[in-house]
Amino acid sequence: DAKTTQPPSMDCAEGRAANLPCNHSTISGNEYVYWYRQIHSQGPQYIIHGLKNNETNEMASLIITEDRKSSTLILPHATLRDTAVYYCIVRRDGYQLTFGKGTKLSVIP
Amino acid sequence: DAGVIQSPRHEVTEMGQEVTLRCKLISGHNSLFWYRQTMMRGLELLIYFNNNVPIDDSGMPEDRFSAKMPNASFSTLKIQPSEPRDSAVYFCASSAGGGQQPQHFGDGTRLSIL
Repeated sequence: DAKTTQPPSMDCAEGRAANLPCNHSTISGNEYVYWYRQIHSQGPQYIIHGLKNNETNEMASLIITEDRKSSTLILPHATLRDTAVYYCIVRRDGYQLTFGKGTKLSVIP
Repeated sequence: DAGVIQSPRHEVTEMGQEVTLRCKLISGHNSLFWYRQTMMRGLELLIYFNNNVPIDDSGMPEDRFSAKMPNASFSTLKIQPSEPRDSAVYFCASSAGGGQQPQHFGDGTRLSIL
């Protein structure tokens, strides 16, 4: 699976949009981009995934660049409960999820 | 909807004792994953089941670890005998089949071996 690069930490003001970037320059054509988050003392929580089109669900939006070498997870109106470590994972068909170090997002009141 | 349910949430025991961790899958899911998380090694996949059959157990540390699925909705991870280096948070996850179906995690069992 392709390697991903994320900033180690980010801050976001409460109520503002949180934009979390991820670089995956070695991604292959059949690899999907997944986002999970882990709130302290809880299990990883699935957020969203996509292949090449932008995706939106009730939690977030995923924007994937046309060359698919990077993506951005957008939380449209961050709340204090969105403070967590966010993981960007690139995965081809199969079951392996390889979690890196992720981005620690702190939502500031 | 009920998510993945793990028990116990916390377990403290002395080395040498047998430890059994339990996991109930989300209804309708047929794939089951056991992970272990430590500060040093992050989140590691231990074993993967599909339709109650172990598909990949290459992440299981050693013979002291064993996992079973006695039925389609339940799994156990057993450590016997336990050692202090087994201390970690153990997560169970399930998904509705293979391919690109996302895995949904339980809240884990925090295991401390004294």
